[in-house]
Amino acid sequence: DSGVTQTPKHLITATGQRVTLRCSPRSGDLSVYWYQQSLDQGLQFLIQYYNGEERAKGNILERFSAQQFPDLHSELNLSSLELGDSALYFCASSTRTVDGYTFGSGTRLTVV
Amino acid sequence: AQKITQTQPGMFVQEKEAVTLDCTYDTSDPSYGLFWYKQPSSGEMIFLIYQGSYDQQNATEGRYSLNFQKARKSANLVISASQLGDSAMYFCAIFGDGLTFGKGTHLIIQP
Repeated sequence: DSGVTQTPKHLITATGQRVTLRCSPRSGDLSVYWYQQSLDQGLQFLIQYYNGEERAKGNILERFSAQQFPDLHSELNLSSLELGDSALYFCASSTRTVDGYTFGSGTRLTVV
Repeated sequence: AQKITQTQPGMFVQEKEAVTLDCTYDTSDPSYGLFWYKQPSSGEMIFLIYQGSYDQQNATEGRYSLNFQKARKSANLVISASQLGDSAMYFCAIFGDGLTFGKGTHLIIQP
């Protein structure tokens, strides 16, 4: 157990739908990062939150949004889903860069 | 913008041999950090080792060491005495806005 908790582990939904992925960072970590891993694009950084505020944006689509709540858990909202959004979505948290970024086990999203 | 290049899509290595996984990077930042992650078939991302751009010595963590050559912009991962459990995807990454990952190397350790 890495200490970063992601739910659900698997999600199957239809095109056009909206889903919410949840992440609880490791205790004491203020930063949360979201990544998407697909066969086409590899591992891509989506967005970072630090203590409730958006800190950095990567290749995140406009149909996707995220937020970090006062208890530091984060949610990634994916809307108007397309087949190409099928991927493994990771959340990661960190305290010190030298200690690396701790990843959750991921949410595997399948859009049918 | 940062970029990571991993030129070995796949590698087969005999158990107990040493393995070198190649990674070159490109960045305009004067200060940066380099990471290696392991992703076994189960899918989780496991942090292996970190190298800061101003670190004087190459990083080591158990059987993992990082051969950091700043002038060549390379950060190769060396795994000593490979084990069957080392079979996995290995990703090199650089820190900027989040981590920028390479496409990975699929390492297979053969008995």
